[in-house]
Amino acid sequence: RKEVEQDPGPFNVPEGATVAFNCTYSNSASQSFFWYRQDCRKEPKLLMSVYSSGNEDGRFTAQLNRASQYISLLIRDSKLSDSATYLCVVSNYQLIWGAGTKLIIKP
Amino acid sequence: DGGITQSPKYLFRKEGQNVTLSCEQNLNHDAMYWYRQDPGQGLRLIYYSQIVNDFQKGDIAEGYSVSREKKESFPLTVTSAQKNPTAFYLCASSDRTGRTEAFFGQGTRLTVV
Repeated sequence: RKEVEQDPGPFNVPEGATVAFNCTYSNSASQSFFWYRQDCRKEPKLLMSVYSSGNEDGRFTAQLNRASQYISLLIRDSKLSDSATYLCVVSNYQLIWGAGTKLIIKP
Repeated sequence: DGGITQSPKYLFRKEGQNVTLSCEQNLNHDAMYWYRQDPGQGLRLIYYSQIVNDFQKGDIAEGYSVSREKKESFPLTVTSAQKNPTAFYLCASSDRTGRTEAFFGQGTRLTVV
């Protein structure tokens, strides 16, 4: 079992739809959690950190479920510009990356 | 501006040659990382360093070498022993605890010709 697993993609969704990504992790001692976005042929960039109480940034909502060991990312009212690969990262002093889920928003 | 710089952006290498990729950061981060990314794939860890003069092998260290003589610098050498070096190489840095975000350089795209 991989340490961090993400939904296999790609996700093809129409503009304006809501899309959800899940990411499970195996190390219950993990302390920090992040979602990154990576555009084609570019470096990953932080989208948002994930806090225990859940957090929201505009159209993006991240949640953490420690009991079930997963984090989620919800994108509401998706835009064409949201098309990218979304990577989850779990950290316990070392960063462990998921393989990423590609999102394609269609007009 | 604080950040992490990789150079060059594009690099071409002949088979059998060693080549060194540069990574410099001025974020005062203790930890630095090298990743390899192949088309359509996720990040694979090559080497990481938590402190000056110390580094650890990642999942795919064979055919690569690193040094960490200064806090700011973590160069990666792709040796001739690396059988399939054509890839996108990403350098990142973070604080030692891993509790805050990692920052990436813009990457080096290496092609063997």
